[in-house]
Amino acid sequence: DAEITQSPRHKITETGRQVTLACHQTWNHNNMFWYRQDLGHGLRLIHYSYGVHDTNKGEVSDGYSVSRSNTEDLPLTLESAASSQTSVYFCASSEGLAGVRDTQYFGPGTRLTVL
Amino acid sequence: AQSVTQLDSQVPVFEEAPVELRCNYSSSVSVYLFWYVQYPNQGLQLLLKYLSGSTLVKGINGFEAEFNKSQTSFHLRKPSVHISDTAEYFCAVSEKGNTPLVFGKGTRLSVIA
Repeated sequence: DAEITQSPRHKITETGRQVTLACHQTWNHNNMFWYRQDLGHGLRLIHYSYGVHDTNKGEVSDGYSVSRSNTEDLPLTLESAASSQTSVYFCASSEGLAGVRDTQYFGPGTRLTVL
Repeated sequence: AQSVTQLDSQVPVFEEAPVELRCNYSSSVSVYLFWYVQYPNQGLQLLLKYLSGSTLVKGINGFEAEFNKSQTSFHLRKPSVHISDTAEYFCAVSEKGNTPLVFGKGTRLSVIA
């Protein structure tokens, strides 16, 4: 069955370190998204991609970067981790043929703690 | 730019009672509207969505929502809840075109036996 996976599921790191969170989908979807979920803020969009080599900034993109070199993967990099980036991170994908009307399918999440 | 307000952060309700989770949005153009559900320690999954046509939308697990353009609302309802409906529910809006989804802050539904 097609799926979307995230790794690692849990990560503890130190302030200033570079961290990369992986997202892999086997749906062959065009669109991929990264969100962070924080208590009291719901889900906020970090970066998104509408296809290979396409990336766009979301609402809370400062301190994060992504690159899309193939259809299946959209890794999220924290260039220099900060305590404010402690959060649960969700990756999602959608088919993209109907644009933003398409259902988004979410991964299980990565819980990141920055000490 | 679009925005979403979920009016209740927490809603406790007894099992088999009806429930309504409220959602209002703000946009100057036509929109698509969605409700997603997040069960404990899981990612989100789609409950239902409004794209066009009938304003009453039926989703999975007995949920339905009604789009009210004049009130700019998209409230979620279920006539009789079960313990298994305990979860966080997110309303989301996207302006027609290609703007990505904007999510509300969520409503935590707790069903009490």
